[in-house]
Amino acid sequence: SQQGEEDPQALSIQEGENATMNCSYKTSINNLQWYRQNSGRGLVHLILIRSNEREKHSGRLRVTLDTSKKSSSLLITASRAADTASYFCATVKAAGNKLTFGGGTRVLVKP
Amino acid sequence: SQTIHQWPATLVQPVGSPLSLECTVEGTSNPNLYWYRQAAGRGLQLLFYSVGIGQISSEVPQNLSASRPQDRQFILSSKKLLLSDSGFYLCAWGLAGAETQYFGPGTRLLVL
Repeated sequence: SQQGEEDPQALSIQEGENATMNCSYKTSINNLQWYRQNSGRGLVHLILIRSNEREKHSGRLRVTLDTSKKSSSLLITASRAADTASYFCATVKAAGNKLTFGGGTRVLVKP
Repeated sequence: SQTIHQWPATLVQPVGSPLSLECTVEGTSNPNLYWYRQAAGRGLQLLFYSVGIGQISSEVPQNLSASRPQDRQFILSSKKLLLSDSGFYLCAWGLAGAETQYFGPGTRLLVL
């Protein structure tokens, strides 16, 4: 069963706008990760945030984690057409354990 | 640097035929290896993972099996494919004790 559920399922924005997507999960976690998947390709790791962290940045990406609400958000600032992809959150319940993926958010950035 | 290969990229097979998908990793030793399946427009479902040669853990009972004959080789097999086996199969590796995984390009399987 899926641990994480992304919201929205699909998002369409103009180039230059910000894109925000959310992930909710059900059980306690060790860390949460975000991955990107371009159409028909493998997944690429974007960022990992641990349960004792609240916010993390990587380039134009900003991830927040609220363990009290069991939720995380991924913000892509100043989006580009190349950001068009599906974005997945994945949770790890215990250190070194397996990833459990959500259903993903499909993001379309229009030029 | 590490790389992960999967082949074939695309496969069309009749129902009842056997299956063998191969995944190999270069540039690392004793990786954890994973097989996932992704249905169209959906998330990833973990099928099998392996922490060493000959060590396979199955996550979902199904028509598939996995083997790890060498340290950096992971094979997904079936004796008789079902229509429901269609999907996008992804192999991934990760360092033991680390949570980040690195994915191959995937194999798209269509069972007719």
